[in-house]
Amino acid sequence: QKEVEQDPGPLSVPEGAIVSLNCTYSNSAFQYFMWYRQYSRKGPELLMYTYSSGNKEDGRFTAQVDKSSKYISLFIRDSQPSDSATYLCAMKPGGSYIPTFGRGTSLIVHP
Amino acid sequence: DVKVTQSSRYLVKRTGEKVFLECVQDMDHENMFWYRQDPGLGLRLIYFSYDVKMKEKGDIPEGYSVSREKKERFSLILESASTNQTSMYLCASSSFRDRTGREQYFGPGTRLTVT
Repeated sequence: QKEVEQDPGPLSVPEGAIVSLNCTYSNSAFQYFMWYRQYSRKGPELLMYTYSSGNKEDGRFTAQVDKSSKYISLFIRDSQPSDSATYLCAMKPGGSYIPTFGRGTSLIVHP
Repeated sequence: DVKVTQSSRYLVKRTGEKVFLECVQDMDHENMFWYRQDPGLGLRLIYFSYDVKMKEKGDIPEGYSVSREKKERFSLILESASTNQTSMYLCASSSFRDRTGREQYFGPGTRLTVT
C-alpha cells in the first residue's frame, strides 16, 4: 500500500459544478498538506497548503484536512474549463523538506 | 518571481548513451530535487540535494547520478540510458528560509525518450 493514495480519474464534470478531489494517507507523522495543479506539458505549481487539521479557503478553492481519518480534500466551486488539469496532493512531516506525492487526479471541466 | 529552468523540453537518445539533464534556479534556493513522472505512478524522487556537493538518494536512484557544483545548478546524469528511463523528468527547488519547506517550485519538465 502506498503512503498516499489518490484516484487518478479522469474526473469529468460540467462547467459550474462543485468538484471534490481527495487523498488518503497512512503516515500519521504528516503535518503539512499541499495541493499542486499541473497543466498539460507544464510543471506542477502550488495551489494551496494546510498545516495540520482544518480548512483553508482561497477564492473558489477550499482545502480540508481530517487527520483523525487521514483524509484530505480539495473542493473547487463554480468549476471552469480553465480548471482542467491534473491535481496532485502532497504531504510531509514537520522538519522534512521532502514531500510524498499522490499519483494525481486528472480533472476535465467541459463547457 | 521564482524561475526554474530545464535545459531541454524534449530529448531523444539511444540506448547506452550518456545523458545529461540540466536544471537551473534563480532564487538562491538551497534545496534541489529531481523527479520522474510516469502515468499511473505519479512523481517519484530520484535524488535530492540540500547544498553544493551534497546529495541524497531518493526512492529510485538506480541508473542515475547527480552533480551539484554550484548552488543554482543541479544536473541529472543517466550513465547508460535504457528504454525504461523513458519518462518526464521534473526538477524542483525550495528554500531553507521557508521554515515549513512546503513549497517546491518546479521546472517545465524534460520529456526524455530512449530508443
